[in-house]
Amino acid sequence: DTAVSQTPKYLVTQMGNDKSIKCEQNLGHDTMYWYKQDSKKFLKIMFSYNNKELIINETVPNRFSPKSPDKAHLNLHINSLELGDSAVYFCASSQGWAVSSYNEQFFGPGTRLTVL
Amino acid sequence: GDSVTQMEGPVTLSEEAFLTINCTYTATGYPSLFWYVQYPGEGLQLLLKATKADDKGSNKGFEATYRKETTSFHLEKGSVQVSDSAVYFCALTDGGFKTIFGAGTRLFVKA
Repeated sequence: DTAVSQTPKYLVTQMGNDKSIKCEQNLGHDTMYWYKQDSKKFLKIMFSYNNKELIINETVPNRFSPKSPDKAHLNLHINSLELGDSAVYFCASSQGWAVSSYNEQFFGPGTRLTVL
Repeated sequence: GDSVTQMEGPVTLSEEAFLTINCTYTATGYPSLFWYVQYPGEGLQLLLKATKADDKGSNKGFEATYRKETTSFHLEKGSVQVSDSAVYFCALTDGGFKTIFGAGTRLFVKA
């Protein structure tokens, strides 16, 4: 049973379009994240939600908007897609700074976004 | 702010060779340290962790020791296999929700 799942796995779209990526975790975690990984494998945090509240909001263009309808879901909507948005986007979850977990991250399989 | 620096790759080794991937960190508090591994086409997964100074994390033949005096957490394996080919990320957390990742080191193991 998949712990952190994302849809779609691949997303190919034209510049200027709007697209969404969905993420769900069945681990019972309180905290979820979105990361962007570029072609050189550099991993950059974008957003984090704890109990449906935004707690991390890094320097990300306003075209990116996360939404957390409940603790198990964190979706990412991107408006007016640009060529530079092409990357792999990873969703992750954690139990936060619990004594036994030390914020260990559980990652989804990634969504490869290609903007043409 | 907190940061993680790891050796640049790619690292190319023959099967059964000894592996070291260097990782150093800067942090204001007493961080917990992690190594994550990313196999081709997959998300990252935790390989091992150490939560205080002198702790040794180990898993699947990999080891890393939390060295506070040198602010290091180097990853080692005595005999690598082709199946260890992946990207390895050193990371730290410092009591909050944010995890700081290094830039990743790609490992290629040749048969």
